[in-house]
Amino acid sequence: KAGVTQTPRYLIKTRGQQVTLSCSPISGHRSVSWYQQTPGQGLQFLFEYFSETQRNKGNFPGRFSGRQFSNSRSEMNVSTLELGDSALYLCASTRTGTGDYNEQFFGPGTRLTVL
Amino acid sequence: AQSVAQPEDQVNVAEGNPLTVKCTYSVSGNPYLFWYVQYPNRGLQFLLKYITGDNLVKGSYGFEAEFNKSQTSFHLKKPSALVSDSALYFCAVRDLPGGSYIPTFGRGTSLIVHP
Repeated sequence: KAGVTQTPRYLIKTRGQQVTLSCSPISGHRSVSWYQQTPGQGLQFLFEYFSETQRNKGNFPGRFSGRQFSNSRSEMNVSTLELGDSALYLCASTRTGTGDYNEQFFGPGTRLTVL
Repeated sequence: AQSVAQPEDQVNVAEGNPLTVKCTYSVSGNPYLFWYVQYPNRGLQFLLKYITGDNLVKGSYGFEAEFNKSQTSFHLKKPSALVSDSALYFCAVRDLPGGSYIPTFGRGTSLIVHP
């Protein structure tokens, strides 16, 4: 079974631009979460999508948005990029079920550098 | 509210010696606890989880973790460290029932195993 894939793996953008990152979850996984990882702040939760609906949202400005498609693939968008948005963006998928204790499967991440 | 703390930013251990990476948590209800490992330029990989049952949980790559309810801890252990275990380790907690569906991650502990 293929793992979580994220594209692109690396991105370099300049301040003020916007960027779209893509995530394909493991087949059959319906929940997709996004995280921002930086050396200073650690792993911070951005949002989670389930069945094309945003189910949970972290404490990030409105410049960060996302969506999920009917095939569970997800995209996140960051508009008006700032230097502080430079980070590793991780996507994770979860097999949802009645137990609610499933672990997350992470993709390799997209390394975004804002110049 | 749920929270998790990893009190050590870095743990150094000699190859062949036992290792411990510490994690303490705070929840309102029952904790669901997870350990993940991150190798350089990679996403997080699931190691093990505690849901209920035996306090000693065995996971991947020879790792195990001990759940201690009275001390609210879930320390990661391995009897004999390998140089290849050098990585960043994350503890995560979910507070169920009724708590957040999204796990809260610790800030991570860098494990360095010296030859």
